[in-house]
Amino acid sequence: GQQVMQIPQYQHVQEGEDFTTYCNSSTTLSNIQWYKQRPGGHPVFLIQLVKSGEVKKQKRLTFQFGEAKKNSSLHITATQTTDVGTYFCAGSRDYKLSFGAGTTVTVRA
Amino acid sequence: KAGVTQTPRYLIKTRGQQVTLSCSPISGHRSVSWYQQTPGQGLQFLFEYFSETQRNKGNFPGRFSGRQFSNSRSEMNVSTLELGDSAFYLCASSSSLAGGPYEQYFGPGTRLTVT
Repeated sequence: GQQVMQIPQYQHVQEGEDFTTYCNSSTTLSNIQWYKQRPGGHPVFLIQLVKSGEVKKQKRLTFQFGEAKKNSSLHITATQTTDVGTYFCAGSRDYKLSFGAGTTVTVRA
Repeated sequence: KAGVTQTPRYLIKTRGQQVTLSCSPISGHRSVSWYQQTPGQGLQFLFEYFSETQRNKGNFPGRFSGRQFSNSRSEMNVSTLELGDSAFYLCASSSSLAGGPYEQYFGPGTRLTVT
């Protein structure tokens, strides 16, 4: 079945530094979605990427969809304490959504 | 627009009992999906309902079932609870009309503890 792998599982970042989390699928995806879950909260939709090679930015967050539509990345620049949480990617194929295990981000002030 | 609501928020049950969780989607959303979240397994897809029909199903045993009503509200039932069913159960609604899935709007979740 469709599997979406996400790395790293944990990311400890110094405030002000950049980091990237990666999402890889075993199959070609129709689209990929990214969500953020704050500690004790629920996942919140961030963005959806549909086109091959698509790049979208939200302030300090840059999302990219690979040319083969099998991988994606989320890059955060100048990390802030508000970036703490777990970031999930979710790949869509055949009308099904498969979530990665998430990257849990902690920030050192 | 009001968000997705879930009841109850917290629940403690005994092994062998059954439980029913409720989810009210965002007004106008006809798709409701259910997920189980545990520290070791992440977000696992249970099933999705669209217009009262189960459209997709994950790999969970038959003890997990659901339904959707004509007003798009959905319920999830777990029978013969096991200790391993302790988890955070999330429902999410989507504006999916045909095809999709579109972005999911999650509710606050139900924390289920089985003792």
